[in-house]
Amino acid sequence: GEDVEQSLFLSVREGDSSVINCTYTDSSSTYLYWYKQEPGAGLQLLTYIFSNMDMKQDQRLTVLLNKKDNHLSLRIADTQTGDSAIYFCAEGAPGGGNKLTFGTGTQLKVEL
Amino acid sequence: NAGVTQTPKFRVLKTGQSMTLLCAQDMNHEYMYWYRQDPGMGLRLIHYSVGEGTTAKGEVPDGYNVSRLKKQNFLLGLESAAPSQTSVYFCASREGQGSGAQHFGDGTRLSIL
Repeated sequence: GEDVEQSLFLSVREGDSSVINCTYTDSSSTYLYWYKQEPGAGLQLLTYIFSNMDMKQDQRLTVLLNKKDNHLSLRIADTQTGDSAIYFCAEGAPGGGNKLTFGTGTQLKVEL
Repeated sequence: NAGVTQTPKFRVLKTGQSMTLLCAQDMNHEYMYWYRQDPGMGLRLIHYSVGEGTTAKGEVPDGYNVSRLKKQNFLLGLESAAPSQTSVYFCASREGQGSGAQHFGDGTRLSIL
């Protein structure tokens, strides 16, 4: 079955870059997503990448996809304290209700 | 610009009680989903719907029922609540085409004593 793995914690200093990594097992994934969850809130879609792309950039966010290794990463440039949150990687494949499989989330802590 | 709205936001139940969680979306989305979020386990899919009048089981459906009588609403029912169902419940919806990105509500925090 599908499995998505992430490291649990990441701590960075304000102004540095953050890189959050994710590995997934379903090679038929069509889209891969990054969601952000702030305390007490729902999941907010940050960005997504189609499986035939290698990279996508959106302002401070850069998504890299390595299909050979089933590896996805999210880079946040100039990390701010407001970026402190839990970040979820998710993968989706067509059919069967287009369900998403989520990773366990990476808690990003930004220190001054 | 409401998006996905969940009610209630908080609830405390006693073991054996029943309740219904309501999810409403105003984006005319075809697909709707119910997840539960537990510490260290990410989000797990309970049930989902691919359109009005349809429902299907997800990863952890036992102890829950759902209904999608209207396109904009997706109800999650607990017939006889158990402490193991203490969790944060999230509803999501997505359009039938496009990127498949799901849009989430703010969650319902449910405690079963």
